Amino acid sequence: NAGVMQNPRHLVRRRGQEARLRCSPMKGHSHVYWYRQLPEEGLKFMVYLQKENIIDESGMPKERFSAEFPKEGPSILRIQQVVRGDSAAYFCASSPVSGATNEKLFFGSGTQLSVL
Amino acid sequence: AQKITQTQPGMFVQEKEAVTLDCTYDTSDPSYGLFWYKQPSSGEMIFLIYQGSYDQQNATEGRYSLNFQKARKSANLVISASQLGDSAMYFCAMRTGGFKTIFGAGTRLFVKA
Repeated sequence: NAGVMQNPRHLVRRRGQEARLRCSPMKGHSHVYWYRQLPEEGLKFMVYLQKENIIDESGMPKERFSAEFPKEGPSILRIQQVVRGDSAAYFCASSPVSGATNEKLFFGSGTQLSVL
Repeated sequence: AQKITQTQPGMFVQEKEAVTLDCTYDTSDPSYGLFWYKQPSSGEMIFLIYQGSYDQQNATEGRYSLNFQKARKSANLVISASQLGDSAMYFCAMRTGGFKTIFGAGTRLFVKA
């Protein structure tokens, strides 16, 4: 399967714990985007990364949230000291190039984070 | 500021009929792309159709067509001959010269048998 792979599919954490969400982009894609979706809402942009670089993190909360896309391995979205408000579906998308307005995104199946 | 607005939280359509899902956008960039994605109950996001700001003709992909009215800044999705499997959330999205694709709040479509 050469699609965007996200894991885990479901993640349950207690308040104060850490959540680590993983995303492997499609083969040949070096651009990764993370989005958050609250129930019955659209996708909110969080962060855009290229290999080893964060390009745009304007949608990501300044505290507790971080993202990386190392040279080797998947992109990681990390949420420290989770709170109930972090409960949401987190989607990863990838693209082969960036900057083009006709560039569609290829999405993973998402990670549903539930904070108890 | 760039913005996508979908004013229909929910829509009903009879099977085999056509339905139009509304989308308006706002941007000052002359070059942009407009997209529609479908999200079934399983959760994945499926790309449906794309329209470029400089495209002269409306985009079509099978039963999907995009009614692009540039002066009105609207990019409505038309689904012809609705099927039960079309029941899903539909998101309008826009990408400009930056790196972000922004999404509207979505419209939930219900297809009735």
